Amino acid sequence: IQLTQSPSSLSASVGDRVTITCRASQGISSYLAWYQQKPGKAPKLLIYAASTLQSGVPSRFSGSGSGTDFTLTISSLQPEDFATYYCQQLNSYAWTFGQGTKVEIK
Amino acid sequence: QVQLQESGPGLVKPSQTLSLTCTVSGGSISSGGYYWSWIRQHPGKGLEWIGYIYYSGSTYYNPSLKSRVTISVDTSKNQFSLKLSSVTAADTAVYYCARVNVATIPPAFYYYFDYWGQGTLVTVSS
Repeated sequence: IQLTQSPSSLSASVGDRVTITCRASQGISSYLAWYQQKPGKAPKLLIYAASTLQSGVPSRFSGSGSGTDFTLTISSLQPEDFATYYCQQLNSYAWTFGQGTKVEIK
Repeated sequence: QVQLQESGPGLVKPSQTLSLTCTVSGGSISSGGYYWSWIRQHPGKGLEWIGYIYYSGSTYYNPSLKSRVTISVDTSKNQFSLKLSSVTAADTAVYYCARVNVATIPPAFYYYFDYWGQGTLVTVSS
């Protein structure tokens, strides 16, 4: 299953609302997770089961969607949120990741 | 707090076997309930799932790598390991180990990678 994220990169300002889209090549129900990765660091889990916020993750992060179309929303972008974001499908093997969306400072 | 730490050679010659170990602390692999996985990231690129193992030894591998991958577990040392044979320059990557958790949201089970090691760069070069 291929995952296509859009956009591949975006520039935004602190306080902006940011939305990242992940589209699956076939239906994956809600078997989708989102991760944040900063340079030189391991990915960090943000959301699983498409919309369940991982413990300790700020509530400005939210996920939605089911089937083939999913979104990750950051309601008010903070300085520490500038990073690359990946979606991952865990519906069927092989588990796959999207190509990533880099969120940069405007 | 669960922690994972990768270890192994940072340089491997072409055609040889890449071997990495992930040491888990703060939790026991043999307690069950989790899968233990390897993921890699080519320089400047995205993430690729390699495979996972359960404490019992059952495994599942990415079909694209299956012919070259072996993942094993040593519960006495609380470690799991990756072997990737016949490596080429295309296997140069940062290799991560991670814990795969499972959430029960009836009627389904949802997997996710909740703890990751810091990653280790493996370069394939003569």
